[in-house]
Amino acid sequence: KQEVTQIPAALSVPEGENLVLNCSFTDSAIYNLQWFRQDPGKGLTSLLLIQSSQREQTSGRLNASLDKSSGRSTLYIAASQPGDSATYLCAVVETSYDKVIFGPGTSLSVIP
Amino acid sequence: EPEVTQTPSHQVTQMGQEVILRCVPISNHLYFYWYRQILGQKVEFLVSFYNNEISEKSEIFDDQFSVERPDGSNFTLKIRSTKLEDSAMYFCASDGGPLNTEAFFGQGTRLTVV
Repeated sequence: KQEVTQIPAALSVPEGENLVLNCSFTDSAIYNLQWFRQDPGKGLTSLLLIQSSQREQTSGRLNASLDKSSGRSTLYIAASQPGDSATYLCAVVETSYDKVIFGPGTSLSVIP
Repeated sequence: EPEVTQTPSHQVTQMGQEVILRCVPISNHLYFYWYRQILGQKVEFLVSFYNNEISEKSEIFDDQFSVERPDGSNFTLKIRSTKLEDSAMYFCASDGGPLNTEAFFGQGTRLTVV
């Protein structure tokens, strides 16, 4: 059964710092991997989606990498800002049109 | 940009009452899903729906839950007799299908059972 874990569970950094959030999944046979942002009490905002054949995706200050063989993904946030404070969720899909399996999230706090 | 729309954004209901959560998926999508997130916990899969029938459901999705696509645009989740532990954020998602798989999520309905 696929399990998604995220390390660390919480992270507090000063503004301007570059940071890395980690995601691991137990079964490397995935179809895609997605990173979401969730503000407290709010919905899910999709940040980046990486297809299984891709190694990375970039959007602005965000870069997500995927290493399927080792079951890992990282989300790199450059020059962090207080507005980046949120919970970041990693999620995988195992086959096309299958359910999304979420990790528990990393709660990020960027201190001004 | 097309989006998944959920209504209401927040619903408060008495324990034992029936609730219906509504979703309008993206119009040309074929696959529909419900997820829930209890406060402070993971987002969990409830059910997937394709071609007017349930394609997969989790152990959470017991006889108290049902889903329906009553017309060409709405997708609903019904909870027959709500319990306190049903209090959660419920997310609807839709997916275009095999050639362009990406789940698009609605902004959620916060259900509070009192």
